[in-house]
Amino acid sequence: DSGVTQTPKHLITATGQRVTLRCSPRSGDLSVYWYQQSLDQGLQFLIQYYNGEERAKGNILERFSAQQFPDLHSELNLSSLELGDSALYFCASSPSPANYGYTFGSGTRLTVV
Amino acid sequence: SQQGEEDPQALSIQEGENATMNCSYKTSINNLQWYRQNSGRGLVHLILIRSNEREKHSGRLRVTLDTSKKSSSLLITASRAADTASYFCATVNSGGSNYKLTFGKGTLLTVNP
Repeated sequence: DSGVTQTPKHLITATGQRVTLRCSPRSGDLSVYWYQQSLDQGLQFLIQYYNGEERAKGNILERFSAQQFPDLHSELNLSSLELGDSALYFCASSPSPANYGYTFGSGTRLTVV
Repeated sequence: SQQGEEDPQALSIQEGENATMNCSYKTSINNLQWYRQNSGRGLVHLILIRSNEREKHSGRLRVTLDTSKKSSSLLITASRAADTASYFCATVNSGGSNYKLTFGKGTLLTVNP
């Protein structure tokens, strides 16, 4: 157990649907990062939150949104799902990314059928 | 977009041999990190090297950084079958306050028993 908890581990849903992925960062870490990993695109940065506020945005589609709650857990919402959204979604946290690496969760494998 | 590019894309060696993976990047960095990922699992942080450091060791791992060439290498000595995994370099760009990691596409290392 890395200390970063992601639920669910697997998700199978139909095109056009909406899903919510959940992440609890390691205790004490204020930053949460979301990444998408697919075979063709590799690991792509989606979005970062720091202590409840959006800090940086990457290659995140408009159909996707995220938030970080006062207890620091974060949710990634994916809507109007397409087949191409099938991927592994990871969240990660770090106490100080300038000095320490990220701790990744085990990921949510999303399959859109 | 990818910042780091690992070389080779795939590497197959025998147990006990050394494995060397290289990474090149494009912009000025705050630090460079190496991660390991077993198939379909979360990424595990291996080592972080800051832009003002040239070499770092951790157990059987040795990382070098050449900022003039914008390149880094990861050496795994006396490899074991359990080292079989994908290895990614990732950079934190200098400047800014979000410290997001930008990953390369990775090197798939296979260690044959």
